[in-house]
Amino acid sequence: DQQVKQNSPSLSVQEGRISILNCDYTNSMFDYFLWYKKYPAEGPTFLISISSIKDKNEDGRFTVFLNKSAKHLSLHIVPSQPGDSAVYFCAAMDSSYKLIFGSGTRLLVRP
Amino acid sequence: NAGVTQTPKFRVLKTGQSMTLLCAQDMNHEYMYWYRQDPGMGLRLIHYSVGEGTTAKGEVPDGYNVSRLKKQNFLLGLESAAPSQTSVYFCASSRGSRSPLHFGNGTRLTVT
Repeated sequence: DQQVKQNSPSLSVQEGRISILNCDYTNSMFDYFLWYKKYPAEGPTFLISISSIKDKNEDGRFTVFLNKSAKHLSLHIVPSQPGDSAVYFCAAMDSSYKLIFGSGTRLLVRP
Repeated sequence: NAGVTQTPKFRVLKTGQSMTLLCAQDMNHEYMYWYRQDPGMGLRLIHYSVGEGTTAKGEVPDGYNVSRLKKQNFLLGLESAAPSQTSVYFCASSRGSRSPLHFGNGTRLTVT
């Protein structure tokens, strides 16, 4: 049973618009959440994280929102750029130090 | 500064053969992880280590063993490879329990 779910396998947006990637989780013990970006033939690279004591964290064009009651987080990219085209993974951690990943969403930003 | 280095980059094994994947990090990180990535399934945790000499099971540990004899190295072993272990394997390390993981570029393993 997947504890971290990304229900949209793919997303296509126009350059300059907002990209919104969504992630749901089932384990209420998760208290640390991260987003990673992955290009083909490379390892995932860290984008942004959020602790469960916050509901929002920003870093430049990237903002992560956390809704604990809904067990939902989202990543907003504004404005989207063609170089943002990649697979995005959300991940969650509890006190056992295991980082559990979702299945990923492939983002395509059209010029 | 190399970060996380995985060797080899590619390998083809026959069913029943054994092999060891090596992960080395030069960031003095305490925690290290092994993941596998399969199409449509994201990254699944195989084993991890929270310090030198420690190991723990992840989500999909069966068929794999690990060792962390030195802080900078984390070895993943397949004793008797099976076609179901065909995958891309990623190693990662982190400074602590609430720190981002830094990943290597992966090892593509095919078992025929």
